[in-house]
Amino acid sequence: KQEVTQIPAALSVPEGENLVLNCSFTDSAIYNLQWFRQDPGKGLTSLLLIQSSQREQTSGRLNASLDKSSGRSTLYIAASQPGDSATYLCAVSGANNLFFGTGTRLTVIP
Amino acid sequence: EAGVAQSPRYKIIEKRQSVAFWCNPISGHATLYWYQQILGQGPKLLIQFQNNGVVDDSQLPKDRFSAERLKGVDSTLKIQPAKLEDSAVYLCASTNQYQFLSGANVLTFGAGSRLTVL
Repeated sequence: KQEVTQIPAALSVPEGENLVLNCSFTDSAIYNLQWFRQDPGKGLTSLLLIQSSQREQTSGRLNASLDKSSGRSTLYIAASQPGDSATYLCAVSGANNLFFGTGTRLTVIP
Repeated sequence: EAGVAQSPRYKIIEKRQSVAFWCNPISGHATLYWYQQILGQGPKLLIQFQNNGVVDDSQLPKDRFSAERLKGVDSTLKIQPAKLEDSAVYLCASTNQYQFLSGANVLTFGAGSRLTVL
């Protein structure tokens, strides 16, 4: 059964810092990996999707990498802003389902 | 396009009572999912529908949870009787036929229904 782990569980950084969130998974037979953002009381918003054949994806200040063989992904956020404060979830895709990690709660301090 | 609609947004009930949640997916999305997200945890799949048929309900506690999607569009998730450990956010998501068959699993999520069981 796929297990997805995210480290750290919580992170607090001053505005402007670059930061890295980590995600690891146990079964490398995945279709893709996604990073989501979840704001309090809101649903999930997909940030980036990396297909299993890809190594990374970029969107604005966000860069996600995937190393399928080692079961790891990172989400890099450049020049963090207070508006980036949220919980970030990674999810790996099986044939029919997404397996989610427990998330990293990010706080960017002005 | 309109997003995934869910209601109610919040519900507080006492244990052993029943509750129902409703989801209307994005128009044309054949695949619909219900996830349970307990505080501090990632979402966990409860049930997946393809049109009005069930694809996966292996993690649905069938002694108390039920779900239906009779016309292949909107769906209801029911809990009866509720337990304290059912307190969670219930998320509905949908995806279209192409994304489902390609394994892309690019899901669009609703805002969720937060259940508190006292």
